[in-house]
Amino acid sequence: EAQVTQNPRYLITVTGKKLTVTCSQNMNHEYMSWYRQDPGLGLRQIYYSMNVEVTDKGDVPEGYKVSRKEKRNFPLILESPSPNQTSLYFCASRAGTGGNQPQHFGDGTRLSIL
Amino acid sequence: GENVEQHPSTLSVQEGDSAVIKCTYSDSASNYFPWYKQELGKGPQLIIDIRSNVGEKKDQRIAVTLNKTAKHFSLHITETQPEDSAVYFCAAGSSYKLIFGSGTRLLVRP
Repeated sequence: EAQVTQNPRYLITVTGKKLTVTCSQNMNHEYMSWYRQDPGLGLRQIYYSMNVEVTDKGDVPEGYKVSRKEKRNFPLILESPSPNQTSLYFCASRAGTGGNQPQHFGDGTRLSIL
Repeated sequence: GENVEQHPSTLSVQEGDSAVIKCTYSDSASNYFPWYKQELGKGPQLIIDIRSNVGEKKDQRIAVTLNKTAKHFSLHITETQPEDSAVYFCAAGSSYKLIFGSGTRLLVRP
């Protein structure tokens, strides 16, 4: 089954404790992206990757890091989490690098930073 | 910067009635306009999309219209059913990114 898998689904942690949210897709997609979803703001892009070893900032990259060492994986790293990073996070992937292709989303990771 | 405005933020309709959600975008380079449905505890799922060379597209009870001159596109759901209740997002895409609207919470009353 074609899917985007995120882990963990839920996490409560404390300020400053480094965490990583993993994302894996089994569709051999070139493009992957991370979004955060906050009430009334829709989905905002954090980082995206056009292919292996190619990443770029989205609209809200501050406080986040990513890496793309393999095509299927695109982890999101919070080196020193802060309460304003409490949010619902989604990973997505799509085929090709053109913008007019459907994106497939994971089921989300709810992070609470105390 | 680029943005997408979506209205209304909430919409309540009677089962069987139609629902319309409207979006406007600012980036004239946008050429791809998908609509996503998000159910509780799930990620957004694509329900229909339209590209800039098409003015209208229909898939059963769902249709989308695009007016590139006005930078405006809309989602139409006819004969609504309770299972249509969800949050709907529009988005406008160019070569490397999608900009999402803020979402519409649709409630279909039985």
